[in-house]
Amino acid sequence: LAKTTQPISMDSYEGQEVNITCSHNNIATNDYITWYQQFPSQGPRFIIQGYKTKVTNEVASLFIPADRKSSTLSLPRVSLSDTAVYYCLVGDNTGGFKTIFGAGTRLFVKA
Amino acid sequence: DAGVIQSPRHEVTEMGQEVTLRCKPISGHNSLFWYRQTMMRGLELLIYFNNNVPIDDSGMPEDRFSAKMPNASFSTLKIQPSEPRDSAVYFCASSLVRTGGSAAFFGQGTRLTVV
Repeated sequence: LAKTTQPISMDSYEGQEVNITCSHNNIATNDYITWYQQFPSQGPRFIIQGYKTKVTNEVASLFIPADRKSSTLSLPRVSLSDTAVYYCLVGDNTGGFKTIFGAGTRLFVKA
Repeated sequence: DAGVIQSPRHEVTEMGQEVTLRCKPISGHNSLFWYRQTMMRGLELLIYFNNNVPIDDSGMPEDRFSAKMPNASFSTLKIQPSEPRDSAVYFCASSLVRTGGSAAFFGQGTRLTVV
């Protein structure tokens, strides 16, 4: 499985756009990039997934350059409730889509 | 859909006792995962099933841990005998594996305390 590297923590203020970048230099051809969000005392929650270029949903955008060796999760206009840990994962559907979590990025949004 | 349902939400047990954690995945999902989360080790994948068959149990820490999935709607994680170092939050997740990527949906977790 491709290893991922992301910042341990980030701080932001309410209303700002937050970009969290994840490196995955050894990503394989069949791998997808998936981001999860986890609040204290809850299980991780799926945010967004992509394979290449840009993906956008009601919560976030995911930017993936052509070489796919990194990806950036973009959270528009964050609020205090976006304070959480964000995980970047890469993996494919072979044998059931093994889902391995790294340490994640702890985002702290201040008023 | 009610999502992934885990029981119990909290479990306190004495060292040496058997503990059984239960999980009901989302209907129609074909993969199920068991994770353990602690402050020190983060989220660890213990085992995952595809179509009720265990695919990879390399994350199961010891023979004291065992997991079963007798049918598509139920799975158990058993620890026998339990030890204080097993104290953690245990999450179950399920997903529908298909072409084009898939996402895991998590339950609320079981907080296990072994004293």
